[in-house]
Amino acid sequence: GAVVSQHPSRVICKSGTSVKIECRSLDFQATTMFWYRQFPKQSLMLMATSNEGSKATYEQGVEKDKFLINHASLTLSTLTVTSAHPEDSSFYICSARDSADYGYTFGSGTRLTVV
Amino acid sequence: GQNIDQPTEMTATEGAIVQINCTYQTSGFNGLFWYQQHAGEAPTFLSYNVLDGLEEKGRFSSFLSRSKGYSYLLLKELQMKDSASYLCAVRTDKLIFGTGTRLQVFP
Repeated sequence: GAVVSQHPSRVICKSGTSVKIECRSLDFQATTMFWYRQFPKQSLMLMATSNEGSKATYEQGVEKDKFLINHASLTLSTLTVTSAHPEDSSFYICSARDSADYGYTFGSGTRLTVV
Repeated sequence: GQNIDQPTEMTATEGAIVQINCTYQTSGFNGLFWYQQHAGEAPTFLSYNVLDGLEEKGRFSSFLSRSKGYSYLLLKELQMKDSASYLCAVRTDKLIFGTGTRLQVFP
């Protein structure tokens, strides 16, 4: 089945630094990837939709200059949290839709802790 | 706006049946998914409904009424390992998740 590889699984960074999270579709082409954030005991909140070769579409309230998304190829999308602060600590997870299927495949998630 | 609501928490006893409801108001509708999620892990797919009616898959069933903006997930013969969060998600031009329901199964 379709697999999305997400790295790193856990990262701790200092306040003010930037962190890059990668999602790769391993056996299918993902023209669209979705990035979610999940705080403890809450559901997944859609942050942005990443389209290969074009600018990402951000949800209302998500700062595009803080959460940089790049989708340079059909198999790779990256999310960079710039100038991270403790309130950015969260579980970030990507999802891709296999164009051959109606389903969505999720990455394994990244636990970001900003200290 | 988009609203997808679920009860926050539910409890049930091992061997019992539990129904988790999901009501939605979205701009567009191309199907509804149910996922199971354990803490710190990715959601795992349970079911997908695009037409009205009941979809049965082993111990899990999911129902959809598009006219009422309503779905439910039915879990039968509950097991301890079913303790998890259950998320409904509506597909529009993207996939939007509901508020999630934490289910706790007791012996």
